[in-house]
Parts: sequence; C-alpha cells; structure tokens
Amino acid sequence: EAGVTQSPTHLIKTRGQQATLRCSPISGHTSVYWYQQALGLGLQFLLWYDEGEERNRGNFPPRFSGRQFPNYSSELNVNALELEDSALYLCASSPGQGPYNEQFFGPGTRLTVL
Amino acid sequence: QKEVEQNSGPLSVPEGAIASLNCTYSDRGSQSFFWYRQYSGKSPELIMSIYSNGDKEDGRFTAQLNKASQYVSLLIRDSQPSDSATYLCAGPGAGSYQLTFGKGTKLSVIP
Repeated sequence: EAGVTQSPTHLIKTRGQQATLRCSPISGHTSVYWYQQALGLGLQFLLWYDEGEERNRGNFPPRFSGRQFPNYSSELNVNALELEDSALYLCASSPGQGPYNEQFFGPGTRLTVL
Repeated sequence: QKEVEQNSGPLSVPEGAIASLNCTYSDRGSQSFFWYRQYSGKSPELIMSIYSNGDKEDGRFTAQLNKASQYVSLLIRDSQPSDSATYLCAGPGAGSYQLTFGKGTKLSVIP
C-alpha cells in the first residue's frame, strides 16, 4: 500500500512570492492535515480537510490556505512568502475524522524562503 | 485548548538501558493515544497506538495508558543508538475534535 506522498521535496522561493505544496493521501483516507515544523521546533497545526471541506485551521494568517480535491488529494498555498515561512511542511492523512484515528505522515516539503 | 504535554528533555540513556518517555493529558474522556518517532530532518513515523487502559507491547516497545492519573508512557527496552530520535505523543486535545501532538522528547542513546 502506497503511503502519503508530497511534492515537491524541496522548494526555494523569494520573499513575496507564492508557494504551492501538494499532497496525496493513502488510498481510502478522506482526511488530510497540514503541519508546519520550523527547524528544531514542534509540529504546528495548519489546516484540516475532510470530504472536500475545511474542518479546522490553526493559528496562522489567511495567506496560508488550501483545498482538497474530489480525489482527496490536497494542496497548500502560501501567499506573500516571508522569511519565517521557511520550514518543513508535513501532510498527514487519516482514515476518518476525529482524534481516535491515527495520522500517517508524508515525507514533507522543505520550503526555503530567501 | 490543546493539552497533551511532554517533558521536552533531552533524555540520554546508555545503550541497552530502558528509556522511559512520558506524556500527560487533560481530557479525562480520552481513550486513544499514539506515539510517533521522528528522526532529524525526517517526518514522524507512527510506532505505537494504544486504545485502552493498561499496557500494550510490540517488540522492544511498550505503551502504557493510565487513565486515573492521565498519563501515557512509552518504554523502550534494550535501547539502541538507532532509537535516538524525537518521540511525539499524540492524543485528543481538550475542546478539539482532532489529534493533538505534544512538543516531543528528544532521546539520545549513548553507545
């Protein structure tokens, strides 16, 4: 069974540009979560999508947005990039809603903002 | 508010010893917890799930859930240098209908 995939692996942008990150969940999983992990820090929850709808978002500005497609894949968009957006962005999928289902992580996209 | 708390460590143990990692939580109704291992620069990997009070063993790993005291622990027996990583505890956060992650405990196993 294929795991969660993310693309690209690395992304280098300059301040003010836009970044688009993509995630494909494990087959059969409907929930997709996005996290930001800055160097040496913990996971910061960004967004949760399930069945095409945004279910929750973390404490991030509106320039962080995303969507989930009918095939449950998802993309994260970050507009007006700032230097502090440099981080590892992780996508996780889950077979169902709620905190009783484990999440499985993709390999991440490392975003560097120059 | 999220309330899954971990001792951030770092924790150092000699090779062959037992490493004990702990996590406390505030939602008394919580029934399911997960332990993840994250190597430096890599993504978290699920290593243990526990859904009921008591112990669950898988190889060198034992997860313990104590609902009365509201803590979850992970024991790693016969620790190996390859166990050196950050371990994340995850469970239901108070007031949040989604999995909440602790900040992680960094474990170093010294040869």
